Amino acid sequence: AQSVSQHNHHVILSEAASLELGCNYSYGGTVNLFWYVQYPGQHLQLLLKYFSGDPLVKGIKGFEAEFIKSKFSFNLRKPSVQWSDTAEYFCAVHSGGGADGLTFGKGTHLIIQP
Amino acid sequence: EAGVAQSPRYKIIEKRQSVAFWCNPISGHATLYWYQQILGQGPKLLIQFQNNGVVDDSQLPKDRFSAERLKGVDSTLKIQPAKLEDSAVYLCASSLQVDMIRSYEQYFGPGTRLTVT
Repeated sequence: AQSVSQHNHHVILSEAASLELGCNYSYGGTVNLFWYVQYPGQHLQLLLKYFSGDPLVKGIKGFEAEFIKSKFSFNLRKPSVQWSDTAEYFCAVHSGGGADGLTFGKGTHLIIQP
Repeated sequence: EAGVAQSPRYKIIEKRQSVAFWCNPISGHATLYWYQQILGQGPKLLIQFQNNGVVDDSQLPKDRFSAERLKGVDSTLKIQPAKLEDSAVYLCASSLQVDMIRSYEQYFGPGTRLTVT
């Protein structure tokens, strides 16, 4: 069975700091990769996704992620975070085939201090 | 566009009682998912429907959990009897399928927070 690992469970940064959240997955075949965000009191929202093509993908609110196939990684980045980025971030993978439910990591709780 | 609707938002029951959750997906979305999210973990897929048929229920504890999507729109997830470890947020999500091309982008509802005492 595939699995997703998020290395940092809690991250605290100051505003304007750069952000990188790690994500590694275990499946060796073709994958679709996602980052979801859950702001306080809100539901899960798609931040960005990778299906194929350019391994550097850009999402909403200035976020981007890079797919490195050789490292089985899909790390999330943002050059300068804002207080409003405080949220829970989840990496997820879909490995193709008939069933397309997502496998999620445990999440990273990001706190941005003003 | 209206999002995925779920009810109730919160539910507290005693162990061994039964409970049901309701989900209304985004209009036109053929695929519907139920996930369980235990505190401190990411969502875990319980069951996936394509229209009114089950695509994947391999992680659904079938001795106590059941789900249906009779008319290919709304869905109900039931737990009977509930256990303490069922305390979690139950998320419903939906995605659009156009012809034979699936969209893997899933849209999530607000979830139902279940507490079993």
